[in-house]
Amino acid sequence: DQQVKQNSPSLSVQEGRISILNCDYTNSMFDYFLWYKKYPAEGPTFLISISSIKDKNEDGRFTVFLNKSAKHLSLHIVPSQPGDSAVYFCAASALETSGSRLTFGEGTQLTVNP
Amino acid sequence: GAGVSQSPSNKVTEKGKDVELRCDPISGHTALYWYRQSLGQGLEFLIYFQGNSAPDKSGLPSDRFSAERTGGSVSTLTIQRTQQEDSAVYLCASSLQAGGPYEQYFGPGTRLTVT
Repeated sequence: DQQVKQNSPSLSVQEGRISILNCDYTNSMFDYFLWYKKYPAEGPTFLISISSIKDKNEDGRFTVFLNKSAKHLSLHIVPSQPGDSAVYFCAASALETSGSRLTFGEGTQLTVNP
Repeated sequence: GAGVSQSPSNKVTEKGKDVELRCDPISGHTALYWYRQSLGQGLEFLIYFQGNSAPDKSGLPSDRFSAERTGGSVSTLTIQRTQQEDSAVYLCASSLQAGGPYEQYFGPGTRLTVT
């Protein structure tokens, strides 16, 4: 039972344009969501998070949007840079009931072309 | 400051042997998590510790897997009688405290190959 899904295995974007990565979840107990970036042979690196009490969180070029009624979140990167090329994982947690264990999506490979 | 460290970075072992994977969390982080990523898969939760206690072991795939944490710091994940399906990258993460909105910081992982 895949509780967090990233339906696009890959995304290719031109440098300077917007990258939009999408994520859907099914577990209504999830109340905290995170995005991680992963380069080959490295561990995931935290990017940005959002609590279920918010619908938007922004940090520099990265913005995460949460639509609780649709159980959908998205990560916007603007402007995209070649160094953003990596695998992006969406993760979700039910803070009080699960010790903040993360449930991850399958990842989306983002390629930003110069 | 130092991040999460894991050792070894790579481990090749023969089927049936036991292996131990080590994780050194960020100093002051009371929560420690183990995940694994099999080839072509997303990250899968295995177990977490709050201090030295492991409230949730539900992700351990079989009784061949065990983990411990001593002194609220270093953790060891042990896999007994390894099988080829155990081949994966094993990732450790730590955070300030379990049950709160704290990001988890990941180590570089241990790539385990069972031949």
